[in-house]
Amino acid sequence: QVQLQESGPGLVKPSQTLSLTCTVSGGSISSGSYYWSWIRQPAGKGLEWIGRIYTSGSTNYNPSLKSRVTISVDTSKNQFSLKLSSVTAADTAVYYCARGSYYYDSSGINDYFDYWGQGTLVTVSS
Amino acid sequence: SYVLTQPPSVSVAPGKTARITCGGNNIGSKSVHWYQQKPGQAPVLVIYYDSDRPSGIPERFSGSNSGNTATLTISRVEAGDEADYYCQVWDSSSDVVFGGGTKLTVL
Repeated sequence: QVQLQESGPGLVKPSQTLSLTCTVSGGSISSGSYYWSWIRQPAGKGLEWIGRIYTSGSTNYNPSLKSRVTISVDTSKNQFSLKLSSVTAADTAVYYCARGSYYYDSSGINDYFDYWGQGTLVTVSS
Repeated sequence: SYVLTQPPSVSVAPGKTARITCGGNNIGSKSVHWYQQKPGQAPVLVIYYDSDRPSGIPERFSGSNSGNTATLTISRVEAGDEADYYCQVWDSSSDVVFGGGTKLTVL
């Protein structure tokens, strides 16, 4: 059974960089047709996809966040990480890491999130 | 950008059938996935590829997708089904897109 666990500071000051790590257990982060994503949810609001990374290192980001986001992977530690720069109060949210299961066809990528971490609340405040 | 529209809330009596819709332009040409999220918990996949159920998800959960609307159907609704439900697709212009979510209330 794959498990994901987020870790990182729960409080970040405005204009600083938010950094989170997701540790994957119960399976290798490098195996199978999977990618690894970050998704966030402000209190009382819906889900917002932040971005994904394949174990090859290839990344895709939400266009609305692309200029501030970096996702990286460390296969030796079975971890992937999120950095979000120049944060403001609007970045306060529960941040989830998740595994994306996918395949490609003529229409593009077909993907869904089958395993999620429990989520970690990050508050941006001075 | 691609937009998915869900009703903010749906109410249903126990034992009845709940239908939660997810609207999008020609959504029938896309694969739709559904997540259940209970308060304070991470989302859980309940339907993928329009109508497939992950192991452990009751047969009461089913999905369909055609035209401009995808539907999550929950039969014989139980109190434990009360949650927020989100639809999700991939779109070539927007990448991963989530609907705004629907709060299912069991009366």
